[in-house]
Amino acid sequence: IVMTQSPDSLAVSLGERATINCKSSLNVLHSSNNKNYLAWYQQKPGQPPKLLIYWASTRESGVPDRFSGSGSGTDFTLTINSLQAEDVAVYYCHQYYDTPYTFGPGTKLEIK
Amino acid sequence: EVHLVESGGGLVQPGGSLRLSCAASGFTFGSFGMNWVRQAPGKGLEWVSVVSGSGVTTFYADSVKSRFTISRDNSKNTVYLQMNSLRAEDTAVYYCAKDQARGGNSNFDSWGQGTLVTVSS
Repeated sequence: IVMTQSPDSLAVSLGERATINCKSSLNVLHSSNNKNYLAWYQQKPGQPPKLLIYWASTRESGVPDRFSGSGSGTDFTLTINSLQAEDVAVYYCHQYYDTPYTFGPGTKLEIK
Repeated sequence: EVHLVESGGGLVQPGGSLRLSCAASGFTFGSFGMNWVRQAPGKGLEWVSVVSGSGVTTFYADSVKSRFTISRDNSKNTVYLQMNSLRAEDTAVYYCAKDQARGGNSNFDSWGQGTLVTVSS
């Protein structure tokens, strides 16, 4: 399953909204449990990735509620409301519907 | 608190071998699948391999299949990645990552800090 993301990079003003899109080449919605096998990670320079969202829209414990995920099937979105300086990072989507698991190429988020 | 610590990285010549280890703590190790994910310098994330909680089931990326072997020792809370026939394109930081859900097909809720593997003559 090939994952694509758009845009490649994004500059947003502090306090504004950032939207990152992810598309999978195959449906990652499992009919047996109606769950989308799609996660989002945040990676800051020199750090490992950090889980933000799983099952496409479930926020990981401790993740600020300005982060939200949406979408189903093949099209997904990560939205960051009220952008903070600490949100500068690269964001990756990840499908775990089937092996080989695959990641999107990443979207670099910067402050305008 | 979950803690994952990778070790075993270093400089190796093309064609050589290296074994990575990931020591885990803070959770019931044998109940969760464990993964290796790598990141070439300045590049994105590439999933490498997964081993089930029991160690019976393994999967690999096509790029490493037949060269890399994942295994685990649940008595030592450690997962391994044996890497043979290394190539320059295997140069990367290798992370171990824990499945969030039991039973396979899971996202990764905890990551180690990574260990750098450099393949060069």
